[in-house]
Amino acid sequence: EVQLVESGGGLVQPGRSLRLSCVVSGFSFDDYAMHWVRQAPGKGLEWVSGISWNSVSLDYADSVRGRFTISRDNAKNSLYLQMNNLRAEDTASYYCVKEVDTSGNYFFDYWGQGTLVTVAS
Amino acid sequence: SYDLTQPPSVSVSPGQTASITCSGDKLGDRYVSWYQQRPGQSPVLIIYKDDRRPSGIPERFSGFNSGNTATLAISGTQAMDEADYYCQAWDTSAFYVFGTGTKVTVL
Repeated sequence: EVQLVESGGGLVQPGRSLRLSCVVSGFSFDDYAMHWVRQAPGKGLEWVSGISWNSVSLDYADSVRGRFTISRDNAKNSLYLQMNNLRAEDTASYYCVKEVDTSGNYFFDYWGQGTLVTVAS
Repeated sequence: SYDLTQPPSVSVSPGQTASITCSGDKLGDRYVSWYQQRPGQSPVLIIYKDDRRPSGIPERFSGFNSGNTATLAISGTQAMDEADYYCQAWDTSAFYVFGTGTKVTVL
């Protein structure tokens, strides 16, 4: 059974930092690119960041570039998101997701349960 | 940037067909996926590569993509299909793009 379990969310003041983690099981973690997708309360889905299987390729949404850093540890089957200089608009549930890339078709086949990040003073 | 637009809401009677559109410039030239998100739950992939269903997804879910519009159809809609639905495509500069989302209400 595939499982993606996020942790690290919580209440944080504007300008502070937070590090999210995602531990996966049930598939060969080091074979797949992984991503973070977020959803603000009552809003839609927004792609945040992605990392290739070997950490060579790192991508970010414009809204977080320069503030967030994605990383992974294949030995620990873990994905991370370091979030610095947090803003109120970063308040959201953050989902760890597994990518599928098939001949130019990119999508997410497994999602974690999400971890809520609240940025407020 | 690349934008995908969906109707905010769609209402359907039980047993009828619900159609949800997703519009984007030359969307038919890209592959589209669809996700279902029930209240309080994480999104679930229900359609990929325009019209393919993952294992375990009921046949009543179908997809089509052509021109500037992709469509998700739910035939024989059931109460359990009441959820938010998001389309998604991939863009070379914006990477993963999600639609604005559609709330399906089963009346």
